[in-house]
Amino acid sequence: ETGVTQTPRHLVMGMTNKKSLKCEQHLGHNAMYWYKQSAKKPLELMFVYSLEERVENNSVPSRFSPECPNSSHLFLHLHTLQPEDSALYLCASSQDVRIATNEKLFFGSGTQLSVL
Amino acid sequence: AQSVAQPEDQVNVAEGNPLTVKCTYSVSGNPYLFWYVQYPNRGLQFLLKYITGDNLVKGSYGFEAEFNKSQTSFHLKKPSALVSDSALYFCAVRDGYSSASKIIFGSGTRLSIRP
Repeated sequence: ETGVTQTPRHLVMGMTNKKSLKCEQHLGHNAMYWYKQSAKKPLELMFVYSLEERVENNSVPSRFSPECPNSSHLFLHLHTLQPEDSALYLCASSQDVRIATNEKLFFGSGTQLSVL
Repeated sequence: AQSVAQPEDQVNVAEGNPLTVKCTYSVSGNPYLFWYVQYPNRGLQFLLKYITGDNLVKGSYGFEAEFNKSQTSFHLKKPSALVSDSALYFCAVRDGYSSASKIIFGSGTRLSIRP
């Protein structure tokens, strides 16, 4: 196990639903990330939090809303999604996003999201 | 702008044969280069990295990668493939002067090792 736990593993939702993805890390890291993985496309960085402060927001649509209540937990709130949002959503953590050479990322197993 | 390319969607190798998974990159400064592996139904796992020093980097599970500055490449290699090496492999890069949040991943190469 990597020390990063994501729930649920699978999620099916309609376009009008509201749901949340949860991520928890037990590594004592200060930085947490949300990535989107679609088949045959580069891994897409969505959000980065450092010490509960959002430091990166890569032009992600507002139907995705992140929340980081503390350095161990990260949520991704979803509402009025589109079918093209179907993908594997990966959470990751690292010791500190600011340390230049310490960029080893620890990933969770992901949530496979299907939007109908 | 940073970018990384993995030109092969899939690589097929017989067990026991050497394997190579290709990666080329583009960064404006000194590159920091990484390989990650994703097994079925799992997240990505760190394999190895190149920051500075020896161009040949050794990592987990017997993998190694060679940094070639003139060809802007960082190919992943293993002398003798195992069936258990079958997985999705991602190359990643960032400029040495930017933060860890600026890591750019490739689209992945599926490695299939046949018995």
